[in-house]
Amino acid sequence: GAVVSQHPSRVICKSGTSVKIECRSLDFQATTMFWYRQFPKQSLMLMATSNEGSKATYEQGVEKDKFLINHASLTLSTLTVTSAHPEDSSFYICSARGAGGKGGYTFGSGTRLTVV
Amino acid sequence: DAKTTQPNSMESNEEEPVHLPCNHSTISGTDYIHWYRQLPSQGPEYVIHGLTSNVNNRMASLAIAEDRKSSTLILHRATLRDAAVYYCILNAGGTSYGKLTFGQGTILTVHP
Repeated sequence: GAVVSQHPSRVICKSGTSVKIECRSLDFQATTMFWYRQFPKQSLMLMATSNEGSKATYEQGVEKDKFLINHASLTLSTLTVTSAHPEDSSFYICSARGAGGKGGYTFGSGTRLTVV
Repeated sequence: DAKTTQPNSMESNEEEPVHLPCNHSTISGTDYIHWYRQLPSQGPEYVIHGLTSNVNNRMASLAIAEDRKSSTLILHRATLRDAAVYYCILNAGGTSYGKLTFGQGTILTVHP
C-alpha cells in the first residue's frame, strides 16, 4: 500500500536555528502534499498545500517566510521551520495525495519538534 | 468546507461493537465521507471512506444515512489497539480531491 516516510521523528533545536523536515512518498508519486501542525490535545491544523513544481499555498495565518515548503519532486517535500522559537514546538505531520488507493491520502508518522 | 459534528468521547469494552456517529447536515452531493484515526504521537491512519452506499473493509464498516446527513463508523469488535481519536471528514471527490480539514474528532476509550 501507499507509504509516506517522514523524518526525523523527533528533533530538538535551539531557539533561532532552522529545522528541516522531510516527507517522502515511497511507492507512489505524490502530486500534492499537505503539511499540518498539531498542538497537544488539539486537532490537526492545515498549514499549507504544495503541488509538485509549484509554490505552496498557505492557510490564513501561517507565515510563508517562516515555514518554507519545497516540493521539487513527485516523491519529496520538505518543510523548513526558520528561526525557530519555543512557540513553534509542535507535532508536524505531512500527508501525500497521489493516484488512487485508500481514499487518496496517506499520512507520515509525524515529527515532534521541540525548540529550547 | 462542509462541517461535521462528532461526540467528544466514547467508551467501549473490548470485543464489543462500537458505533461512532457523525453528523454532516450541510454535505454536498459530491462530498465523500472519510474516516481517519490517530493514535497518540502518530500520524492519522486511513480507516474507510464512502459516498452513498454502505462500505465495508477489513478495519470497519461505514453506514451512511439515506439523506447522507449523517454516518456511523462501526468497529465490529473493539480491541485495545482501536483506542484512538477518530475523525469524520468531508472531502470533495471526483477527479480533484480537496484538502482534508480535521475537526476535533471522537476520543475512543476501550476498556479491557
